[in-house]
Amino acid sequence: AQKVTQAQTEISVVEKEDVTLDCVYETRDTTYYLFWYKQPPSGELVFLIRRNSFDEQNEISGRYSWNFQKSTSSFNFTITASQVVDSAVYFCALRHNRDDKIIFGKGTRLHILP
Amino acid sequence: DTAVSQTPKYLVTQMGNDKSIKCEQNLGHDTMYWYKQDSKKFLKIMFSYNNKELIINETVPNRFSPKSPDKAHLNLHINSLELGDSAVYFCASSLGPRRQGRTEAFFGQGTRLTVV
Repeated sequence: AQKVTQAQTEISVVEKEDVTLDCVYETRDTTYYLFWYKQPPSGELVFLIRRNSFDEQNEISGRYSWNFQKSTSSFNFTITASQVVDSAVYFCALRHNRDDKIIFGKGTRLHILP
Repeated sequence: DTAVSQTPKYLVTQMGNDKSIKCEQNLGHDTMYWYKQDSKKFLKIMFSYNNKELIINETVPNRFSPKSPDKAHLNLHINSLELGDSAVYFCASSLGPRRQGRTEAFFGQGTRLTVV
């Protein structure tokens, strides 16, 4: 079965704090892709990052960083020095290579308080 | 140039009516999707098409019928609308199965459907 779990439903932190959003996935496939999307209050879905199953390098992009660990089936997302504009719902997603099906976790609503 | 565009952005209609949402992508992608996002923000896949062929149908009621006239378009027709159909519907596209490179889905801006 294919599944994405974001256990944190809602998180609130004060501006400038660091925050980590957790994502755990389940798949039987050996080739798959993981993504993070951001949905700000305006409603659009913004792609943030892609990681494929054979590339376990972590990535840093400005204040954002991602930690992919196949051993624990996790793909966590950290925002450093959070800002109010980071307030949004964040989704982790999983895609299988063979059928293109992309499934999403239930999302984590992040509130950055000024 | 908008990569994935869907119309209309807002749709308010009465129960029992039939309505359509249109989607077009200009990215040259082979796969297109419809997702439903409910009031709790859960994003659920409904359908996917690859080169006009239905690939995924996630136990969606028969009242929902997708149509893909060509690989750049995927429309969603809904018959006999019910209150529970109220949601935001997102169209998306991606490269296609077993393709390398940018495998993520690109989303349209969403259509907020309200059934009254």
